[in-house]
Amino acid sequence: GEDVEQSLFLSVREGDSSVINCTYTDSSSTYLYWYKQEPGAGLQLLTYIFSNMDMKQDQRLTVLLNKKDKHLSLRIADTQTGDSAIYFCAEMKGNQFYFGTGTSLTVIP
Amino acid sequence: GAGVSQSPSNKVTEKGKDVELRCDPISGHTALYWYRQRLGQGLEFLIYFQGNSAPDKSGLPSDRFSAERTGESVSTLTIQRTQQEDSAVYLCASSFTSGVTDTQYFGPGTRLTVL
Repeated sequence: GEDVEQSLFLSVREGDSSVINCTYTDSSSTYLYWYKQEPGAGLQLLTYIFSNMDMKQDQRLTVLLNKKDKHLSLRIADTQTGDSAIYFCAEMKGNQFYFGTGTSLTVIP
Repeated sequence: GAGVSQSPSNKVTEKGKDVELRCDPISGHTALYWYRQRLGQGLEFLIYFQGNSAPDKSGLPSDRFSAERTGESVSTLTIQRTQQEDSAVYLCASSFTSGVTDTQYFGPGTRLTVL
């Protein structure tokens, strides 16, 4: 099938690290994306990784890609209350984007 | 069960022509969203429908863009007098309500190419 899978919910304490996981479907996907949706707002592109990379770091965000297992993760260091949002992973296959259902991250003060 | 579907999956058109894109949300979902993703850019919010309320059109880039939704079912996004900069993947999503924690389920998108 075309399912990109994510856990629906994650809760962490402020200051801890958050790790959001995603499994995708097609090893030939060229780009993999992480989007953030804050309350009442549209989706915001956080970061993306090209499929020939294993890791990408951008400030507090670290993306890890395991192509063999078709597993993508997003680590947020020193999680803040402002990081509370829904996080979507997505894969690009050919001309189409396939999104996961999103992981709702709740940061507990 | 069926997810969000969109048609066509690909559309190639000539500059100046009108196009109509269709979205079939998940049955029972009251909220429907249209987004656009241009190559190399993030998703751009276009328009949002919630039940019978007036749609939030704040993201529409110009008056050439319009969208309709019949009740809580099918939505169509129309682009008049298409321009090359309209080339993008147009994504539709639906959710059960418009609550901030409600999961949005996305369709596969329509890739629009304007020659």
